[in-house]
Amino acid sequence: AQSVAQPEDQVNVAEGNPLTVKCTYSVSGNPYLFWYVQYPNRGLQFLLKYITGDNLVKGSYGFEAEFNKSQTSFHLKKPSALVSDSALYFCAVRDYEGAQKLVFGQGTRLTINP
Amino acid sequence: KAGVTQTPRYLIKTRGQQVTLSCSPISGHRSVSWYQQTPGQGLQFLFEYFSETQRNKGNFPGRFSGRQFSNSRSEMNVSTLELGDSALYLCASSLGAGEAFFGQGTRLTVV
Repeated sequence: AQSVAQPEDQVNVAEGNPLTVKCTYSVSGNPYLFWYVQYPNRGLQFLLKYITGDNLVKGSYGFEAEFNKSQTSFHLKKPSALVSDSALYFCAVRDYEGAQKLVFGQGTRLTINP
Repeated sequence: KAGVTQTPRYLIKTRGQQVTLSCSPISGHRSVSWYQQTPGQGLQFLFEYFSETQRNKGNFPGRFSGRQFSNSRSEMNVSTLELGDSALYLCASSLGAGEAFFGQGTRLTVV
């Protein structure tokens, strides 16, 4: 079965510094990977996806993610963090090709300190 | 373009009651999925509907059910509510193999 793991429950970064939120995956077949962000009392907002192609994927709000097949990782990155980036971040993988079911990691709470 | 709309936003129910939650997908999206989010279990898949047919179902008891109408709107129902059903229920819609777009969720509290 497909799975993703987010090894850090919490990440703290100073405003203006680069940030990384880690995600590793385990899939059979081609990985379809996603990052979502959740603000308090809100649903999930789509940030970016990797289906195929370039290993560096650019998304919304200045975020990008690096797909690494050999390390089975899909880390979320941003060059310069903003206080408004503070939120809960989820990595997800599509259950199988053609499916809509997403399997989510447990989430990482990102706090950006002014 | 309007996003995914879930109603109601908040619900308080008593144990043993039943509840129905509603989801209107983005116009043109025919796939609707439901997820339960709790602090302990995280985000768990409930079921997915496409063109009024359930295509996939998660590992939840039969008290959890859903349906989809011809206009792609979907409802999920939970019968005989238990305290552990308290959660944020999220609906997502998608077009083909594209990414899923989520609604704001319905916060269900069972007392």
